[in-house]
Amino acid sequence: DTEVTQTPKHLVMGMTNKKSLKCEQHMGHRAMYWYKQKAKKPPELMFVYSYEKLSINESVPSRFSPECPNSSLLNLHLHALQPEDSALYLCASSRLPQETQYFGPGTRLLVL
Amino acid sequence: GDSVTQMEGPVTLSEEAFLTINCTYTATGYPSLFWYVQYPGEGLQLLLKATKADDKGSNKGFEATYRKETTSFHLEKGSVQVSDSAVYFCALGRNKLIFGAGTRLAVHP
Repeated sequence: DTEVTQTPKHLVMGMTNKKSLKCEQHMGHRAMYWYKQKAKKPPELMFVYSYEKLSINESVPSRFSPECPNSSLLNLHLHALQPEDSALYLCASSRLPQETQYFGPGTRLLVL
Repeated sequence: GDSVTQMEGPVTLSEEAFLTINCTYTATGYPSLFWYVQYPGEGLQLLLKATKADDKGSNKGFEATYRKETTSFHLEKGSVQVSDSAVYFCALGRNKLIFGAGTRLAVHP
């Protein structure tokens, strides 16, 4: 089983709202990732968590705040987003860092 | 730095045609190579992978061989179906995935 789940599937938020995206895996993977994907583009890495610790932040603006409460769960907290942040947000996990990544279905975010 | 180059799409084929999507990479050492597929409105699914030179990855009729001498990992399928219509991403893996731009495939009956 290589399932990564993400909630919600769709999200619409205003620029003053605070919301969170959730990602979960029960495969015992110790690395988890957040990607952002704009239309007709490849995914862009945002954050990497390795053994529940943030190991890579790809210079993401502070209005995006990741959190890894435990080895199965990864959150992305959103605050004061801009319309250009509208995108598909993908979560992925791998058994260990640098191993094969398995992606969730994504959350489609629209910022108004 | 590391990079991946894919052929530009869209690629439009008739059902049962032969498919090739070219992918070349630039990297030091021996990174793992992947093909991911993204169906409309969905996330990425791992299609196949290869971890060392001359490895052949295969899945669902798709194949790709890790060619170190030509730094390539071309995706092939002998007979495509309408259900194969999707965007295909070639990727190189180290501490993070480096994706190509993606190639859109449209298969018509």
